[in-house]
Formats: sequence, structure tokens, C-alpha cells
Amino acid sequence: AQSVTQLGSHVSVSEGALVLLRCNYSSSVPPYLFWYVQYPNQGLQLLLKYTTGATLVKGINGFEAEFKKSETSFHLTKPSAHMSDAAEYFCAVSKGSDKIIFGKGTRLHILP
Amino acid sequence: GAGVSQSPSNKVTEKGKDVELRCDPISGHTALYWYRQSLGQGLEFLIYFQGNSAPDKSGLPSDRFSAERTGGSVSTLTIQRTQQEDSAVYLCASSAGTANYGYTFGSGTRLTVV
Repeated sequence: AQSVTQLGSHVSVSEGALVLLRCNYSSSVPPYLFWYVQYPNQGLQLLLKYTTGATLVKGINGFEAEFKKSETSFHLTKPSAHMSDAAEYFCAVSKGSDKIIFGKGTRLHILP
Repeated sequence: GAGVSQSPSNKVTEKGKDVELRCDPISGHTALYWYRQSLGQGLEFLIYFQGNSAPDKSGLPSDRFSAERTGGSVSTLTIQRTQQEDSAVYLCASSAGTANYGYTFGSGTRLTVV
């Protein structure tokens, strides 16, 4: 069975600072991995995904994530935070042919 | 349509009443998913339709919950005899194929049971 653990339900960073949101997964098969973002009062939007190939994945809005099989991690990073990045971020895993399993989410706060 | 459409956007109902939530997926998307989002609980999988295959109902929390998908398109999630713990945002998503394609989500239906 697949599962996802997101470390930290709330993360605060200063504007311009590095954003790091942590995600570890558990999967019995090679996983497909995703990050979704939910802005206030909106639906979820796909930020990026890893399926196969290059382990460093670039997404929208300057975000990227690296698949590390040895660490079963898929952490999300952005070099410089903007106020507009304030949102809730969800890490997710799938076997590919099956449904996506989501983590509990991390709310990102940007401090001026 | 251009996106996944859900209706109503908000629903307030009395405890014990039945409710129906509607999802209109992106045209041509073969897969349709329902999730429930509660405060602090992330997204909880409910049910998954893929083409003409039997749906994966493994996430439905009780027999008060059911869903159908007519003609491979529109889906309705029905909650019978609603309880206060059913209060949540119900999200629908569709996909052009299997989950590795990623989903397109609707804006959700916020259900409040009073």
C-alpha cells in the first residue's frame, strides 16, 4: 500500500528565503509522485510530478522537487519565497494505474 | 467543458437529510475521483471510476455514501441520513487516463450539516 508523510503541518519562511517542504513516501512498487498546491478558497492545482526518468523535476512558479529513492523522499523546494506562495501544499503518491494517495498537507506561511 | 465543474458550491443541510453532490468532468476524461477534505485531515479518497470498469469503492466511509457515474461522464455522490461528521469539502477530479497523468480538480462542494 502507498502512503505519504508530510513533515510539518505549518511552515513559515521569510520572503526571499528558501522554501523546503518535506515529504516521505512508502510504496511497494516504483512510485509516481506529485505535489499539488491549494490557494485559499480554490481547488487543487498540480505543481509538478515525477513518473520516470530525471529525478529532479521542475514545476510551475519556480518550484522543483527531487526524487531520492534511497531516502524515500520527494521534498519540494523553491530558492526564494514570494508572498504569493502562501498556500497549502500536498504531496501525493500513486502506483500509476491506481488512485492517488495524498498527504495531510503543509500550510506555507510567508513572513514579510 | 474547460474544467471540472462541481455543484452546488455550498450546501447546508439538516442532520438526517439526504444530499446529492454533482461532478461534471472534463470532456473525454475516462477517470473520475471523489475525495473528502476535512480540516487537518488532508484529502481522503472516497471512490474512483475508470471507464466501464467496476468502481473502486474502497474509500467510502459507510454505507450511507454512494456514487454513480452515468454514461461515463457526470457523477453524483449521494450521502444518506447526513451526520455532522460528514461536514467537509467534497472534491471531484478527473484524469485523461490513469493517475500518473495527474488530476484536474474541481473547486469542490462545501457541505455543512447542522
